[in-house]
Amino acid sequence: AQSVAQPEDQVNVAEGNPLTVKCTYSVSGNPYLFWYVQYPNRGLQFLLKYITGDNLVKGSYGFEAEFNKSQTSFHLKKPSALVSDSALYFCALGRAGSYQLTFGKGTKLSVIP
Amino acid sequence: DTAVSQTPKYLVTQMGNDKSIKCEQNLGHDTMYWYKQDSKKFLKIMFSYNNKELIINETVPNRFSPKSPDKAHLNLHINSLELGDSAVYFCASSQPGGQYTIYFGEGSWLTVV
Repeated sequence: AQSVAQPEDQVNVAEGNPLTVKCTYSVSGNPYLFWYVQYPNRGLQFLLKYITGDNLVKGSYGFEAEFNKSQTSFHLKKPSALVSDSALYFCALGRAGSYQLTFGKGTKLSVIP
Repeated sequence: DTAVSQTPKYLVTQMGNDKSIKCEQNLGHDTMYWYKQDSKKFLKIMFSYNNKELIINETVPNRFSPKSPDKAHLNLHINSLELGDSAVYFCASSQPGGQYTIYFGEGSWLTVV
């Protein structure tokens, strides 16, 4: 069985400050990890993914994530938050041979002006 | 050009009715999905098709029936709608395999009254 945990329901950060949205996972075998963002009344937009290689992954809109195998984590980060980053963020887990992603429960990010 | 498009975006219907949601992707992907997002924003896979073949059928009531006329289309038909079916239904597509990014449509907001 595989699972994804996003321990924070909500993260508040001041505009211009760095932000982190946490994600941990559990899977047998090598994980494929994804981050998606969902704005109100919209679909999920792909931000970035880790498949293999460099542990630091850079994605859209200035976001990056670091894969940490020993801590089974894949935290999403951005050096300087924008008000427009306020949205719902989902971490998702896939694996080789699987035709689906397992999603975390989502973390609501609020960037305060 | 919309990559994964689904219609209708909003649907309000009475209990007991039958309704369909249509989905089309122009990405050339072999795999298509239906995900359900509940009122708490939790995302769960319902079905997955690869090359028109059903490969994932999660624990979903028989009232839900997917149909894939070709690789670019995956429709969802729901019979005898119940109040608990109210949710957002997302169509998605990808190439087969857990390492490939899944691209989502904008969602269909279903409200059963």
